[in-house]
Amino acid sequence: GIQVEQSPPDLILQEGANSTLRCNFSDSVNNLQWFHQNPWGQLINLFYIPSGTKQNGRLSATTVATERYSLLYISSSQTTDSGVYFCAVKVNQAGTALIFGKGTTLSVSS
Amino acid sequence: DSGVTQTPKHLITATGQRVTLRCSPRSGDLSVYWYQQSLDQGLQFLIHYYNGEERAKGNILERFSAQQFPDLHSELNLSSLELGDSALYFCASSVGKNTGELFFGEGSRLTVL
Repeated sequence: GIQVEQSPPDLILQEGANSTLRCNFSDSVNNLQWFHQNPWGQLINLFYIPSGTKQNGRLSATTVATERYSLLYISSSQTTDSGVYFCAVKVNQAGTALIFGKGTTLSVSS
Repeated sequence: DSGVTQTPKHLITATGQRVTLRCSPRSGDLSVYWYQQSLDQGLQFLIHYYNGEERAKGNILERFSAQQFPDLHSELNLSSLELGDSALYFCASSVGKNTGELFFGEGSRLTVL
């Protein structure tokens, strides 16, 4: 099955810093999503981005499908950005589902 | 609010018991997915239903079963519970059969004592 690797596994930042999270995947995909799991356990959709670039406020994401990676950029981080960031992908094949990476745990301190 | 509703939010039960988790997908979504999140296994796909029919199975134990009803809500049944079944169980929904963005509910936290 498809492999999804996220890096770094852990990230500690001061408020106001910028960061880049990476997701590598081993096969062609028709779905790639970034999620933020907050301290209460909720999985919040950040981006649906099988290819291209999107921006939403302080967050942006880029997926280079031909090179099988995606990047999530967080600028001017805030303490509320803390939590776990997951990348999840799905191959273009019937009978498959969204497969998650192990996540990047982000801690932002004031 | 993702529009996906899961009940109950928390559940505490004993080993050997059986529980049922319920999920109502977003309006218009025909696909329902179940995932299990435990500390040591991460987020694991369990099963996918589309418009009432099973589409894919992941790492679902034989003690677990699921179904999707004509009104498109889904239930995940967990039986002969073991301590290791303690986890956060998520339901997600999407419009399509094979593509499209998934939206997750808030999860049902199961504790087996």
